[in-house]
Amino acid sequence: DVKVTQSSRYLVKRTGEKVFLECVQDMDHENMFWYRQDPGLGLRLIYFSYDVKMKEKGDIPEGYSVSREKKERFSLILESASTNQTSMYLCASSPQVPLRTEAFFGQGTRLTVV
Amino acid sequence: AQSVTQLDSQVPVFEEAPVELRCNYSSSVSVYLFWYVQYPNQGLQLLLKYLSGSTLVKGINGFEAEFNKSQTSFHLRKPSVHISDTAEYFCAVTRPKAAGNKLTFGGGTRVLVKP
Repeated sequence: DVKVTQSSRYLVKRTGEKVFLECVQDMDHENMFWYRQDPGLGLRLIYFSYDVKMKEKGDIPEGYSVSREKKERFSLILESASTNQTSMYLCASSPQVPLRTEAFFGQGTRLTVV
Repeated sequence: AQSVTQLDSQVPVFEEAPVELRCNYSSSVSVYLFWYVQYPNQGLQLLLKYLSGSTLVKGINGFEAEFNKSQTSFHLRKPSVHISDTAEYFCAVTRPKAAGNKLTFGGGTRVLVKP
């Protein structure tokens, strides 16, 4: 089974802290994604990466950065956490293979910024 | 750019009744379409996908969806729901051969199955 593992299920951080959310996948997928999930808004793409050291902005990149130093690991960084970044964060991975575009998701990290 | 609209934010339904969740998309190019399910306190799991071919797609847990290109819709159906189908359902699209295969999601439909 494909596994996408997020390092924490729940996090509570203070305003202004630097926050790292880690994600690891074990299926050698080229693509990795960070989404933010808020009620009524569905999932919105923050950043994605289609190769090591490559990154592209999604729809809501402001206030976030990412790092992909190894193929299996994709980190989301909140440089200075703010209360409006309180949300559920979902990591996903997918292969870059024609007709195999299914994305596999982690369990999510519920981040609260106080 | 693509966009996805899920027309119902919440759908209450009685056990063993049929359910339909509506999804419309907007895109200037052809797309791949997906339905994902999220059970409470879990990540997303793929229910089914349309890539090409037959417009009626069958998925896991008795769900099916029909792709209608002229109406740009991809509605999800189940003829008889169970309590365990209580979850949030997301429709999503991606462009074929796009670098990264990034998905664009709708706002979600919360299904509550009542006994």
